[in-house]
Amino acid sequence: GENVEQHPSTLSVQEGDSAVIKCTYSDSASNYFPWYKQELGKGPQLIIDIRSNVGEKKDQRIAVTLNKTAKHFSLHITETQPEDSAVYFCAANGFSGGYNKLIFGAGTRLAVHP
Amino acid sequence: DAMVIQNPRYQVTQFGKPVTLSCSQTLNHNVMYWYQQKSSQAPKLLFHYYDKDFNNEADTPDNFQSRRPNTSFCFLDIRSPGLGDAAMYLCATSRVPGPQPQHFGDGTRLSIL
Repeated sequence: GENVEQHPSTLSVQEGDSAVIKCTYSDSASNYFPWYKQELGKGPQLIIDIRSNVGEKKDQRIAVTLNKTAKHFSLHITETQPEDSAVYFCAANGFSGGYNKLIFGAGTRLAVHP
Repeated sequence: DAMVIQNPRYQVTQFGKPVTLSCSQTLNHNVMYWYQQKSSQAPKLLFHYYDKDFNNEADTPDNFQSRRPNTSFCFLDIRSPGLGDAAMYLCATSRVPGPQPQHFGDGTRLSIL
């Protein structure tokens, strides 16, 4: 089945710097890659997603890139702000038990320091 | 504006005492999911409903069950909670199964005394 690895587990940056979180997946059939932001005491919120027919997608300060050959995808946050501090999860869809579901990475705790 | 609503936000129960967590959605999505999330870990899928069709994960303990009486509501029942069941329980929805965005509620934090 699908396995998703996420690095780093923690990331600390200064306000205004960029942050990059990387994920790799194992199932070449995966075709959907969402990123979720989870703030303390809240549920994960979808911030951006990409499908396998696209190499890059951008939404204001957030961008995601996908390399299907290498089976990895990355989240890029530019001009970081303290409110970007949260845990970020990548995910990929995979088939298991006869149906398609999301497999999550272990998460990255991002701290943005003023 | 909340689209996936979980009640209560915090639940305390006693070891072995049945507990029910609830989830409602205003998105009219066909799929509803229940995840368990322990501290500093990724959400772990327990089961999901596609309409009335129930799909259980192979490693979900028998202690955990679910009901979906209608499109809008879904319940998680823990028959005999153990200390290891203390966690955040997240409900999510998607329009259809498969490679689709999932919309999460803010979870219920369950504590076991």
